[in-house]
Amino acid sequence: GDSVTQMEGPVTLSEEAFLTINCTYTATGYPSLFWYVQYPGEGLQLLLKATKADDKGSNKGFEATYRKETTSFHLEKGSVQVSDSAVYFCALPNYGGSQGNLIFGKGTKLSVKP
Amino acid sequence: ETGVTQSPTHLIKTRGQQVTLRCSSQSGHNTVSWYQQALGQGPQFIFQYYREEENGRGNFPPRFSGLQFPNYSSELNVNALELDDSALYLCASSSGRANTGELFFGEGSRLTVL
Repeated sequence: GDSVTQMEGPVTLSEEAFLTINCTYTATGYPSLFWYVQYPGEGLQLLLKATKADDKGSNKGFEATYRKETTSFHLEKGSVQVSDSAVYFCALPNYGGSQGNLIFGKGTKLSVKP
Repeated sequence: ETGVTQSPTHLIKTRGQQVTLRCSSQSGHNTVSWYQQALGQGPQFIFQYYREEENGRGNFPPRFSGLQFPNYSSELNVNALELDDSALYLCASSSGRANTGELFFGEGSRLTVL
């Protein structure tokens, strides 16, 4: 079935460092791809999305490009801030089966130190 | 526009008890999904309701049950609680039956089973 694999954390960076969180997927066809973020003590919120190959999703300085050749959707940010400390989840829609409307990766915890 | 709200935010139960969690969907949304997020894991789909009918279920036992009301709010009921039921329970709302992958999450109800 469809699945998402993302790099395991935790990831600890200093403020203004460059961030990459890897995500690869297995899916039939070319689904939309998502990054959700969960700040401490909060629910998940959509960070960015891409709906087709070569699309770049962006929001709050974060970017991710939908690469069908490598089945990847890596999250990047050029200069992280302490406020970016959160857990990041890569996800794709499930169009069948019993996995619900979104299939999530296990999450990558990011801690940014001042 | 009112977002997704969940109650209670925290609760403690003992093994064998029953619990009811509540969710009010975002204004204009008629689909509600419930997810279980164990510590350090990604959310796992429990079930989804669309216009008061169950519209998909994940790999959870029958002691996990739910309801959706005419105003599209929803309940998650768990009977015969087990220690492994300790988790953050997330409600997410969306609009329509089509799976766009864009969900709006509440902050969750954290259940601890002793």
